[in-house]
Amino acid sequence: SQKIEQNSEALNIQEGKTATLTCNYTNYSPAYLQWYRQDPGRGPVFLLLIRENEKEKRKERLKVTFDTTLKQSLFHITASQPADSATYLCALEGSSNTGKLIFGQGTTLQVKP
Amino acid sequence: DSGVTQTPKHLITATGQRVTLRCSPRSGDLSVYWYQQSLDQGLQFLIQYYNGEERAKGNILERFSAQQFPDLHSELNLSSLELGDSALYFCASSVATSGTEQYFGPGTRLTVT
Repeated sequence: SQKIEQNSEALNIQEGKTATLTCNYTNYSPAYLQWYRQDPGRGPVFLLLIRENEKEKRKERLKVTFDTTLKQSLFHITASQPADSATYLCALEGSSNTGKLIFGQGTTLQVKP
Repeated sequence: DSGVTQTPKHLITATGQRVTLRCSPRSGDLSVYWYQQSLDQGLQFLIQYYNGEERAKGNILERFSAQQFPDLHSELNLSSLELGDSALYFCASSVATSGTEQYFGPGTRLTVT
């Protein structure tokens, strides 16, 4: 069955450093991969979308890579700030022309000042 | 503020009861999605509607049903409630059927006692 794995352990980094989060998947060929941020008790907030034929996408301090051979996406936050502390969710969407997203369990990032 | 509204914010009810959750999508969005988030299962896709028609279905229980009305708002009906149905229920919307970011509402926290 389809499986998405994100680091279950929290990632703790120092302010100003680059945070790198990993999303691995199996038994799936997504057409799109998305990253969302979720704060406790709130709805996920869209960050970036990357298509299967794209290798890398950037938006301000955020960068996502997508390797369909390795079945892996890396999500980077450069010059991290305490306000970046949250849970980050990876989500896959297939090519069935529906918006059905399959989410990973998320990785919690803690940026210490 | 994503522009997606959900009511009620909190709902406490007893086992065996039936509840209705309501969602209004962002202005101009035709797709509405429902997701369930529990601590052990993470964020799970339930169902998608596009312009009033069911578009995709996830592992939605038979006790659950949904619809999208002509004004594009959507309702999720949960019946014969069980303790395990306690969760956060999110509605999301997007402008297209697929390949685009989804905007999530603040969620409805359902507690079944």
